[in-house]
This record gives sequence, C-alpha cells and structure tokens, in this order.
Amino acid sequence: QQPVQSPQAVILREGEDAVINCSSSKALYSVHWYRQKHGEAPVFLMILLKGGEQKGHEKISASFNEKKQQSSLYLTASQLSYSGTYFCGTEFAGGYQKVTFGIGTKLQVIP
Amino acid sequence: GAVVSQHPSWVICKSGTSVKIECRSLDFQATTMFWYRQFPKQSLMLMATSNEGSKATYEQGVEKDKFLINHASLTLSTLTVTSAHPEDSSFYICSARWGYDGSGDTQYFGPGTRLTVL
Repeated sequence: QQPVQSPQAVILREGEDAVINCSSSKALYSVHWYRQKHGEAPVFLMILLKGGEQKGHEKISASFNEKKQQSSLYLTASQLSYSGTYFCGTEFAGGYQKVTFGIGTKLQVIP
Repeated sequence: GAVVSQHPSWVICKSGTSVKIECRSLDFQATTMFWYRQFPKQSLMLMATSNEGSKATYEQGVEKDKFLINHASLTLSTLTVTSAHPEDSSFYICSARWGYDGSGDTQYFGPGTRLTVL
C-alpha cells in the first residue's frame, strides 16, 4: 500500500511557497518526510504521529490529518537548497516499524 | 540526528561474483535495520527488515538466497548480493531505527552503496 504523493514535480522561484501532499488508503500510525538530493541518501525531515500532529522546522512544516489519512508538507519562502526529491513514508499500526515510501515529488527551486 | 554509515560507497564487480555491503549505526544501538534498493528516478523499495539476532524478513519478490542479510550486532548489518548480475545494479541504502519509546522515532539512512555489475 504505497502512499500517493502529489504533485509529482514542481518548479518554484526562490521565495515562493509549495505544498506536497501524501495520502493513504489505509489507517496510518505515522508519516515520515524525507528529502533526497541526486546521488545521495534520503535525509530525515520530520515524523508525525497518529493524533493529528503538526510540526515545523525553520520554514518547512507538516501536518497530519488522521481522519483523512493525509499529510502535507509545507515549504515556505523556498530556498535553492530546498531542491530535491521529497518522499513521504507511511507506517501502519502493527506494521513492525516498516515504512512504505511514495514515488516522490521532485522539487526544483530556481533563482 | 543519528549517524549511519555504509561501506563501500560504490562497487563495480564482474557478473557472477558476490558483493558484501556493511551498514553500521555509529552513535546508537539499532534494534531494527532495513535494506532498500532504489533504481534511477524511482522510489525506495524495501527489500528486507533485519532484527539483531534473528532472521531477516524479506519483502515479497525478494530472493532471500540471493540477498543474504546478517544482523550480527545492534550496530552492524550486512547485505551480501550473491552471484550478482547486471540487473542487480542499483543504489542500495540501509536505514537503522531504535525501538519505540512512545514519542516516535524514525529511520536514519546510510549514505548508500552504488553497485554496478558488469
């Protein structure tokens, strides 16, 4: 049950905002967000737990709507360093810590 | 964040040979380690889940005799690709995670190993 991410790709100008969505057809325990740059391993951004969390770090924040089984990642005032592919990973209750990743959203920030 | 290392970073081998990839958690004890494979421009596909001292749990479609996983300690897991063939060429990434403590935890990824089989 791979989560569905949208959009698949987005191009932003520096300073613009973006939202990446992640949805699941199955009840979720947690949602994980990662960013991967070309040729590198994914880097952890944040995790949101069941209970409807919202979190943020600097200008990147995320929310988790437990009822809708959806999570959104918000990038505010984007910087060039935000470019990369963003993956959401979903974990189900009783899933033995296994995280299933979406196909990814390719984000490119241009000057 | 936690640090996970992988060795080697890249390897080129001839078809038919075996390749071992190491994954280490450097500053924490990982109760569980995961092995992923990623093809170009695709998502991370989980291959197997490895718990220290027990047999790995493989995902459907992953050949356990071809991809041998050993989790000898709480800080080390190895993946051996046996009799590698060109179709095994990929980016292999491990991740490590400690147990639940009620406040949520996540997986920390190693830097990955790029395998090229000629």
